[in-house]
Amino acid sequence: QLQLQESGPGLVKPSETLSLTCTVSGGSISGSNYFWGWIRQPPGKGLEWIGSIYYAGSTYYNPSLKSRATISVDTSKNQFSLKLSSVTAADAAVYFCASPSRQWENDFDYWGQGTLVTVSS
Amino acid sequence: EIVMTQSPATLSVSPGERATLSCRASQSVSSSLAWYQQKPGQAPRLLIYGASTRATGIPARFSGSGSGTEFTLTISSLQSEDFAVYYCQQYNNWPLTFGPGTKVDIK
Repeated sequence: QLQLQESGPGLVKPSETLSLTCTVSGGSISGSNYFWGWIRQPPGKGLEWIGSIYYAGSTYYNPSLKSRATISVDTSKNQFSLKLSSVTAADAAVYFCASPSRQWENDFDYWGQGTLVTVSS
Repeated sequence: EIVMTQSPATLSVSPGERATLSCRASQSVSSSLAWYQQKPGQAPRLLIYGASTRATGIPARFSGSGSGTEFTLTISSLQSEDFAVYYCQQYNNWPLTFGPGTKVDIK
């Protein structure tokens, strides 16, 4: 049973870079043919997929983020990370990391609890 | 990008009644469609994948159907714990996309 846990600053200043890390336990990031994902949810709104990464480094991103998002993986720490540059108030949201439970499928069976990120000076 | 739409936006149902939620994709996603339930302050929970397969531990009152562009989630007899927001998600193509959600509330 995988467990995922997000960590990172809860407050980011406008125009700066948001950085979050997801720590995976109960399984190995490099031992599964999964794309590990980041999803966000602005307060009171719906879910938005940000991007996903395979342990070998392949990535896919939501084009609506206009190349501001970068996802990386550290297999030695069993973690994957999100950086979102040039943040504005529109980037304030609960950020979830998530993973599938079936190889090569991209629905999300395991989720972190989510971390609230506020954008304010 | 595949656009997902859901209807209705809000569904008011009495406990014990049947609820039928719809999800439509702007182009075919085959059967690569998932349904999630989300309660306030919680992460989404996967209910259905492959359009019709219940995820582990999901009660049999939840069922999914459809393929291509039209999908349905049915809750056969609503329990108090089922009042929540439900999202569909396609995973047939990148970028992955979610529908806007249907809120199921108590009538």
